[in-house]
Amino acid sequence: NAGVMQNPRHLVRRRGQEARLRCSPMKGHSHVYWYRQLPEEGLKFMVYLQKENIIDESGMPKERFSAEFPKEGPSILRIQQVVRGDSAAYFCASSAGEINTGELFFGEGSRLTVL
Amino acid sequence: LAKTTQPISMDSYEGQEVNITCSHNNIATNDYITWYQQFPSQGPRFIIQGYKTKVTNEVASLFIPADRKSSTLSLPRVSLSDTAVYYCLVGADSNYQLIWGAGTKLIIKP
Repeated sequence: NAGVMQNPRHLVRRRGQEARLRCSPMKGHSHVYWYRQLPEEGLKFMVYLQKENIIDESGMPKERFSAEFPKEGPSILRIQQVVRGDSAAYFCASSAGEINTGELFFGEGSRLTVL
Repeated sequence: LAKTTQPISMDSYEGQEVNITCSHNNIATNDYITWYQQFPSQGPRFIIQGYKTKVTNEVASLFIPADRKSSTLSLPRVSLSDTAVYYCLVGADSNYQLIWGAGTKLIIKP
C-alpha cells in the first residue's frame, strides 16, 4: 500500500497520559500536514512539516502539542497530558511538494479517545 | 481565505444525478475551487478541482459560472456507495490551510 499510513487507528488514553500518533507519507512525498476533526465538523489545520523542519505550526496549540518529521521514520504528533477535549480524529496528509493547488492525500486517521 | 456555504444535508436515490452547490461570494482572483469526499471513519479523498467554466473527470463534473461566486459538484448516476460528506474548499496559496466547513452530508437511498 503506497498510501499515507497512520497508526494507531484507535488510541485510548486516560487524562494526563501521553498520546503519540504516527504518520508515514506516501512514497516520494516529503511534505506532511496534520489536521484534527471533531464529530460533525470539518478538518482544522494543525501543523505543516517537511523533513526535519516545521514550516507552519500556526494551528497547533502552544501547550502540550508537538510535532516532528525526522530525517528517518514517520512524522509524529505528540500530545502530552491529554484532556478529554483532545478526543478527536487526527488526520495526516502528504504532498510531493508545496501545495498551492492540487490535491492532498490523506491517511485513514487516528481516533483518540481520552477517558 | 474565502469562506464557503453548502447545504448541510441532501438525500437522493440510486441512479439519479446529484448536484451539490457551494457558495463562495468572496472568492479571490487566484483562488481555485476544490471538492473532497469523506466516508465515515476515513480520511478525505480529492474529487475534483477547477478554476472556471467546467471540469470533468471519471468521477464528477464541476460547474463554475463566470462570476465564480458559486460552484456545483455534479455526481452522475449515484449509487449507495456515494453516501458520504462532500466538502467544498476555496483558496490559492497555502492550500493546506483551507478552511473546511461542515460539508454536505449526502445520503443515497435504494
